[in-house]
Amino acid sequence: GDSVTQMEGPVTLSEEAFLTINCTYTATGYPSLFWYVQYPGEGLQLLLKATKADDKGSNKGFEATYRKETTSFHLEKGSVQVSDSAVYFCALTQGVTSYGKLTFGQGTILTVHP
Amino acid sequence: EADIYQTPRYLVIGTGKKITLECSQTMGHDKMYWYQQDPGMELHLIHYSYGVNSTEKGDLSSESTVSRIRTEHFPLTLESARPSHTSQYLCASSDLGRYNSPLHFGNGTRLTVT
Repeated sequence: GDSVTQMEGPVTLSEEAFLTINCTYTATGYPSLFWYVQYPGEGLQLLLKATKADDKGSNKGFEATYRKETTSFHLEKGSVQVSDSAVYFCALTQGVTSYGKLTFGQGTILTVHP
Repeated sequence: EADIYQTPRYLVIGTGKKITLECSQTMGHDKMYWYQQDPGMELHLIHYSYGVNSTEKGDLSSESTVSRIRTEHFPLTLESARPSHTSQYLCASSDLGRYNSPLHFGNGTRLTVT
């Protein structure tokens, strides 16, 4: 079945550092890929998405590129802020054929210090 | 701004009690989901529905049950709560008619069974 693997956390950075959170996937066909973020005490929010190979999703300074050749969707940000401290989830869906169900990675805790 | 609402936010109950976790959305979405989030943060799909009077078991076996009598309402019930049910429960919805539409999550219910 489909699966998503994220880099082990937690990740601790200083403010303005460069962020990379690795995400690789195993799936049949052509899944859509997502990054969700969960701030403390809240539910998940969509951060960005990409629906086909070579697409780049971006939002709030975060970016991720759908790489079919390496089955990856790594999350990057050039300069993190304290307010970016949260849990980040990589996810995929097979879309209509899976009724939109998401397969999530295990989550990566990011802590940014001033 | 949340368009999907979960109540209660926190619940502490004794073993053997019957509980219902409420979830409502105002977006008219056909698809709704319940995810269980364990302390290690992993998310497991336990129930989903793609419309009124449709409910399906998710990837993770759960002793809970759900109902979908109205489009906007997707409650989850535990007939007899046990300490092993202690977890965070996240409700989500999405638009069936839009390919690869993202999930919208509520803020979750954190359940503790003593």
